[in-house]
Amino acid sequence: RKEVEQDPGPFNVPEGATVAFNCTYSNSASQSFFWYRQDCRKEPKLLMSVYSSGNEDGRFTAQLNRASQYISLLIRDSKLSDSATYLCVDPAGDYSGGGADGLTFGKGTHLIIQP
Amino acid sequence: DTEVTQTPKHLVMGMTNKKSLKCEQHMGHRAMYWYKQKAKKPPELMFVYSYEKLSINESVPSRFSPECPNSSLLNLHLHALQPEDSALYLCASSQEAPDRSSAFFGQGTRLTVV
Repeated sequence: RKEVEQDPGPFNVPEGATVAFNCTYSNSASQSFFWYRQDCRKEPKLLMSVYSSGNEDGRFTAQLNRASQYISLLIRDSKLSDSATYLCVDPAGDYSGGGADGLTFGKGTHLIIQP
Repeated sequence: DTEVTQTPKHLVMGMTNKKSLKCEQHMGHRAMYWYKQKAKKPPELMFVYSYEKLSINESVPSRFSPECPNSSLLNLHLHALQPEDSALYLCASSQEAPDRSSAFFGQGTRLTVV
């Protein structure tokens, strides 16, 4: 069964610093991943998709290393509002028969940006 | 603002009650999901509906009963729950192939069983 592993943290980072965390995955057939952000007592919200070519959106950069089976998220110039739990997600199915499959979530990495 | 709407936002029910959680999306997504999330844990998949048919049931106890009346609606019927079922219940939707598109989550129903 596919698994996604993350360091739960917490990562305590001063405001303005750069922070990076990784996520390892077991399903070698997975082609793409997602990073979701979840604030306390809120629903997960999509932060960005990750494909083999990587993805950059403003201060956020995500990369996929298929050889070593990990994805990374880099946050530059961190803001207080970046404090949240970051969930790594493998959307590829491991069920036979086609159709939709459920997302596999990592346990999440808790990030705290300190003033 | 989320495009997946869940009601109610909060629910307190006794162990003998019957209640239903509702979820609605109008994005034309053909896959809808129920997840359960306990504090400080990631969401756990419960059910997947694809084209209004149940495609995945993750060995969920029968006291949880999903229903998909049409492509926009998803219900979760609750009966004879236990206190340990207290959690945040999240509904999500996506295109049929989530490996090519992301899932959108509703704000969740925070359920307390007393």
